[in-house]
Amino acid sequence: QSVLTQPPSASGAPGQRVTMSCSGTTSNIGSNTVNWYQQFPGTAPKLLIYSDNQRPSGVPDRFSGSKSGTSASLAISGLQSEDDANYYCAAWDDSLNAVVFGGGTKLTVL
Amino acid sequence: QVQLVESGGGVVQPGRSLRLSCAASGFGFRNYAMHWVRQAPGKGLEWVAVISYDGANEYYADSVKGRFSIFRDNSKDTLYLQMNSLRDEDTAVYFCARTKTIEALIDCFDFWGQGSLVTVSS
Repeated sequence: QSVLTQPPSASGAPGQRVTMSCSGTTSNIGSNTVNWYQQFPGTAPKLLIYSDNQRPSGVPDRFSGSKSGTSASLAISGLQSEDDANYYCAAWDDSLNAVVFGGGTKLTVL
Repeated sequence: QVQLVESGGGVVQPGRSLRLSCAASGFGFRNYAMHWVRQAPGKGLEWVAVISYDGANEYYADSVKGRFSIFRDNSKDTLYLQMNSLRDEDTAVYFCARTKTIEALIDCFDFWGQGSLVTVSS
């Protein structure tokens, strides 16, 4: 059971906009910034969004992050086939003194 | 360019020990906190441990506390994870990862190694 809650799956057609949520508590998302990672099967995760809504260089502006209270969201606009991957949210938890991850959302591009 | 290369994985019996290494290059290793993150087969990511840039501070996930130890040798640009009393549920790919901001303990992971598979089985 992950500390952060993500829907297990999401889907969308090419060109569409999809959003995925990440729900936490006051000790993690409510107190610290949220980071998002993209992972393809058999490969290491890649940093996608950091500090709630910042994109590392090289990440397309189709990807955006937001946060409100104890929940965060990742949005992908202009969906492309190469976005078909697993997405994980993460944050520091002040009560656990640990990094906590969501269980991940598997995005399927139809 | 930044590179992180894990090694030391393999098959080990329950109750035994194993040490993973993560060799860093392409950046000032001594200036960055480092983490271990694992992923069981077919499962999601699970954070394991963090060590500060100077080795003075460490934090562990409850699932490994008291059994695993994270340490580093800044003279060798290498991070380690000593795993003792291994259990079946420790079977996973173990990734080392760098924090993004110099000297920050709590930060996102901007570079990851390719992972090292640890299989605990009798």
